[in-house]
Amino acid sequence: KNEVEQSPQNLTAQEGEFITINCSYSVGISALHWLQQHPGGGIVSLFMLSSGKKKHGRLIATINIQEKHSSLHITASHPRDSAVYICAVTGNQFYFGTGTSLTVIP
Amino acid sequence: GAGVSQTPSNKVTEKGKYVELRCDPISGHTALYWYRQSLGQGPEFLIYFQGTGAADDSGLPNDRFFAVRPEGSVSTLKIQRTERGDSAVYLCASSSQGVNTEAFFGQGTRLTVV
Repeated sequence: KNEVEQSPQNLTAQEGEFITINCSYSVGISALHWLQQHPGGGIVSLFMLSSGKKKHGRLIATINIQEKHSSLHITASHPRDSAVYICAVTGNQFYFGTGTSLTVIP
Repeated sequence: GAGVSQTPSNKVTEKGKYVELRCDPISGHTALYWYRQSLGQGPEFLIYFQGTGAADDSGLPNDRFFAVRPEGSVSTLKIQRTERGDSAVYLCASSSQGVNTEAFFGQGTRLTVV
């Protein structure tokens, strides 16, 4: 059983579309992280949040602690957004989801 | 450099050999984490250091894996008697304090055991 579940596993979108990636977790957490991993590249931290909502450019992350659920939204998607997006939660250590592979087609 | 640095970036070794993977965290970061990622999977936790000590090593798969951080900065992940199943990307991350501060990841070391 995975402590962190993401959906969808794979997502293809047309440039300009609004994208949502979902994350559900089953453990008690202190914080939730959204990470971005490009093919062959390292991992970049996008957001760390423990409540409410954060926005950075075209990216928005929300979390509902009661429902143990978070969403990552990308507005006006662009081909350069193509990457794997990973949800991770921290309790006493990091627990990672398996990632959502996003492809944005021009 | 300003980020987390891992060396080597790629390592090919023969089954049964010993390997060392190095992680240079961001200067001043007290927390350091090792993960490994197999193809198509999310990262899997291995070990977490707070300063020089291992705060949580519950993710190390067996006693062939060992990690040190003797001076509280650079860390080395050591794998003895490597097996083909050890092939993965080994990721290191650091954060300023602990698990509730933002983590910064290295580019990883791709280990291939042939």
